[in-house]
Amino acid sequence: SQKIEQNSEALNIQEGKTATLTCNYTNYSPAYLQWYRQDPGRGPVFLLLIRENEKEKRKERLKVTFDTTLKQSLFHITASQPADSATYLCALVSAGGKLIFGQGTELSVKP
Amino acid sequence: DAGVIQSPRHEVTEMGQEVTLRCKPISGHNSLFWYRQTMMRGLELLIYFNNNVPIDDSGMPEDRFSAKMPNASFSTLKIQPSEPRDSAVYFCASSSYTPGQGANNEQFFGPGTRLTVL
Repeated sequence: SQKIEQNSEALNIQEGKTATLTCNYTNYSPAYLQWYRQDPGRGPVFLLLIRENEKEKRKERLKVTFDTTLKQSLFHITASQPADSATYLCALVSAGGKLIFGQGTELSVKP
Repeated sequence: DAGVIQSPRHEVTEMGQEVTLRCKPISGHNSLFWYRQTMMRGLELLIYFNNNVPIDDSGMPEDRFSAKMPNASFSTLKIQPSEPRDSAVYFCASSSYTPGQGANNEQFFGPGTRLTVL
């Protein structure tokens, strides 16, 4: 069956460091992969989309990579700040626009 | 734009009661999605509509759950009868999606309805 896995444990890092979050998937060949941010008590907010023919995508301090051979996406936040603390969700885009979400990784950036 | 609007924000009810959750998508969006989020199962898609037509309801857990979209600006998710295991946060999201055009499909989520069934 299709499966998406993200770092199950919370990620704690020091302010200024680079945070790297992992999203692995199996039994699936998505054309797109998206990353969302979710703060407590709020709905997810879209951050970035990367297509299967793109190796890397950047937006300000964010960088996403997509390796269809490894079936993996990495999400990086450089020069991390306490305000980056949140849960980050990866989602695969299936036919028909349906999103399949991972469980999310909780990131905590300490000052 | 006010974004996706959901009501109520919180609902506490007793087992066996009917619960109706409401959603107003962003104007101009043609796709609407209902999700359920729990600690154990994460964010799960229940059903989605494209141009007011249900496309995929394979995520609807049981016949107790039903969803409608009578027009482009309104959708409901109904649970009847409700059970304690239905307790979760229910999100509605909308997007602008055109099949076959490889659209971005960025989804805009509402604030959610926190449902507690006692």
